[in-house]
Amino acid sequence: QSALTQPASVSGSPGQSITLSCTGTSDDVGPYNLVSWYRQLPGKAPQVIIFEVSKRPSGISPRFSGSKSANTASLTISGLQAEDEAHYFCCSYAGDSVVFGGGTKLTVL
Amino acid sequence: QLHLQESGPGLVKPSEPLSLTCSVSGGSISTSSYYWGWIRQSPGEGLEWIGTVYNTGSTFYNPSFRGRVTISVDTSKNQFSLGLNYVSAADTARYYCVSMLVTYHFDNWGQGMLVTVSS
Repeated sequence: QSALTQPASVSGSPGQSITLSCTGTSDDVGPYNLVSWYRQLPGKAPQVIIFEVSKRPSGISPRFSGSKSANTASLTISGLQAEDEAHYFCCSYAGDSVVFGGGTKLTVL
Repeated sequence: QLHLQESGPGLVKPSEPLSLTCSVSGGSISTSSYYWGWIRQSPGEGLEWIGTVYNTGSTFYNPSFRGRVTISVDTSKNQFSLGLNYVSAADTARYYCVSMLVTYHFDNWGQGMLVTVSS
C-alpha cells in the first residue's frame, strides 16, 4: 500500500488560483469517487474541506473545489488568502483500506 | 457535533504495548451513521491511517500494522480504543481518534495525543 503522491510544497500570491495535485493508482483514486482533502494548520488537527472528490462540508468556503481525472485528484483554491497557508493532505479509499498523500505545504507569498 | 478526546500514556517503552482510548461525546458510539478509527502523524510527517471499526464491530486495518493492531468499541462507556503491540521508536507519533462516514472521509478529529516510544 503506497501513499498517494503530492508535491511537497507550492506557493502563490494573494488573489491567485492554485491547484494541488494528488496522484494515486488504479487501486485507489482511479476506481473510487471517495477522495477527500484535509487542511492542517500548525499545531491543530486536520479538518476535512472536500469529500467524495468535490463535495464541501457545511461551513467550508466555496473558494475550495475538488475534481478528479483518472488516477489524479486535484484541489483548487481560488482567490488565495493569507489564511489559506497550511498543509493540505489528500486521502482515498483503496478497497479494503484508506491511504493518505504525503501532504503539500501551501505558502501564500 | 461530535467531540472526541484521546487519553492514555504519553510514554511507552520499546517492545511494550501502546494503549489509547477515545471518549466520544455529543452522540452515541452505537450509531449507524459513523465508523470509528485512528490516524497517526509522526513528527513533521504526513498522516497514516491505522484502522477503523464499524458499528457492527467489524474492523479493517492498514496492512502495515496488521498483526499487531487492535481497535475495539466499548458501547457502555461510549469509547473506542487502540492497541498496538511491540512498539518501537518508529511508532512515536501523535495519535488522532476520528469518526469516519460511509463515504470514507474523516469528519471529526480528536485534538491528538503525542505518544513517545523510548526507554
